[in-house]
Amino acid sequence: GAVVSQHPSWVICKSGTSVKIECRSLDFQATTMFWYRQFPKQSLMLMATSNEGSKATYEQGVEKDKFLINHASLTLSTLTVTSAHPEDSSFYICSAIRLAGAHEQYFGPGTRLTVT
Amino acid sequence: QQQVKQSPQSLIVQKGGISIINCAYENTAFDYFPWYQQFPGKGPALLIAIRPDVSEKKEGRFTISFNKSAKQFSLHIMDSQPGDSATYFCAASRGGTSYGKLTFGQGTILTVHP
Repeated sequence: GAVVSQHPSWVICKSGTSVKIECRSLDFQATTMFWYRQFPKQSLMLMATSNEGSKATYEQGVEKDKFLINHASLTLSTLTVTSAHPEDSSFYICSAIRLAGAHEQYFGPGTRLTVT
Repeated sequence: QQQVKQSPQSLIVQKGGISIINCAYENTAFDYFPWYQQFPGKGPALLIAIRPDVSEKKEGRFTISFNKSAKQFSLHIMDSQPGDSATYFCAASRGGTSYGKLTFGQGTILTVHP
C-alpha cells in the first residue's frame, strides 16, 4: 500500500517560536497533499490544500500567515506553524493523493504538537 | 450543507458480531465516500470507499452500503474482532476544484469485546 510519512512524530515548543512539519509520500508521487488538524477526541478538519509548484489554498478560518505551506516537490510538503501559541497544540495530519491509480487518499501518521 | 453526520458516537459489539456505522450527507455534489479507521495516536487508514454509481461494495469483512436517494451510507464490519476496536470515520468529497477535500463525520468509537 501507499506510504505517507511525517516528521517529527511529536514536538514540544515554546510559545512564540516556529515549528516545521514535513510530509512525504514515500512510494508514489502526489501533486496534491492536504493538511488536517485533529483536536483530542474530535474529528479531522481540513486546514489547507498543498499543490506542487503553486500556492496553497486555505480553508475558511485558517490563517495563511500563521500556517505556512510549501510543496517543494511531488513527494514533499511542509507545514510551518509560525509564532506558535498554546491553542495551536493539536494533532496535525497530512494526506496525499496518488497520481496514478484510483486516486485514493492516504494519510500520514500525524504529528503531535504541544506548545508550552 | 458540507456536513456529514455520523452515528452512533460509540458502539460496543461482541466478538463475531456485526458492527454497523451510519452516515448521512446533504451535499448532492459529493461523489466519493471513504471510510477510515484510526487507532489512538495514529493517522487514519483507508478501509474502503465507494462512488455513488454503486449501491454496495465489499472488501473482506468490510462492506459499504450506499443509498443515493436517501443520501446515506453505512459501514458493516462482519465477524468483528477485538483488533477492530478503533475509531471509525466516514468522509465525503466532491470533484472539480474541491477534488480530494474530505469532509469527515464525527467518528464512532468501536469496542469489540472478546
